[in-house]
Amino acid sequence: QVQLVQSGGEVKKPGSSVRVSCKPSGGTFDNYAFSWVRQAPGQGLEWMGCIIPILGTTIYSQKFQDRVTITADQSTTTVYIDMTTLSSNDTAVYYCARDRGVRSWFDPWGQGTLVTVSS
Amino acid sequence: DTQMTQSPSSLSASVGDRVTITCRASENVRNYLNWYQQAPGRAPKLLIHVASTLQSGVPSRFSGTGSGTDFTLTISSLQPEDFATYYCQQSYSTPHTFGQGTKVEIK
Repeated sequence: QVQLVQSGGEVKKPGSSVRVSCKPSGGTFDNYAFSWVRQAPGQGLEWMGCIIPILGTTIYSQKFQDRVTITADQSTTTVYIDMTTLSSNDTAVYYCARDRGVRSWFDPWGQGTLVTVSS
Repeated sequence: DTQMTQSPSSLSASVGDRVTITCRASENVRNYLNWYQQAPGRAPKLLIHVASTLQSGVPSRFSGTGSGTDFTLTISSLQPEDFATYYCQQSYSTPHTFGQGTKVEIK
């Protein structure tokens, strides 16, 4: 059973950037896509975008398109999300999740990475 | 964007109760509707995909029905480990969108 292992929590200043990583335990991307979903404290789930590593294809939610970049490193089998111009509204737990692309489902999920934006 | 609306937002129930949660999409999502369970402090867990297919390892007391715009998640006999928040999610179009969640609490 593959697991997605994410990087540790981050504390950032407003206006700065953050990178969170996600690595499948099996060491391979196979033909899956990987999405990023965030959850602000006490709030619901919000899909940010996804990448299909074998194709290098990305799809973003318009809400995040200007500030978020999702990449995949084939050599380390790691997916990344970079977010710029952070504000306190970006304080959230960021999850990666595996799926088969559009019209699929998210399974499994990473353990989550808390990003705190505070001055 | 397709809006997903769950009802109720929260409910109180007892062990052994039958629980039903509904999810309504603002547009036709065919049967591309998934359900997740999230325990406090944990990552979401897939329960049901494409409206009615039970994910491997998920107890059979969970079931899902619906298509188009109206969907239902049913827990036939609530167990102590089922007290959590449940989310629906459409994957018919991007951005993939989630309902606001239904918190199931102990009565």
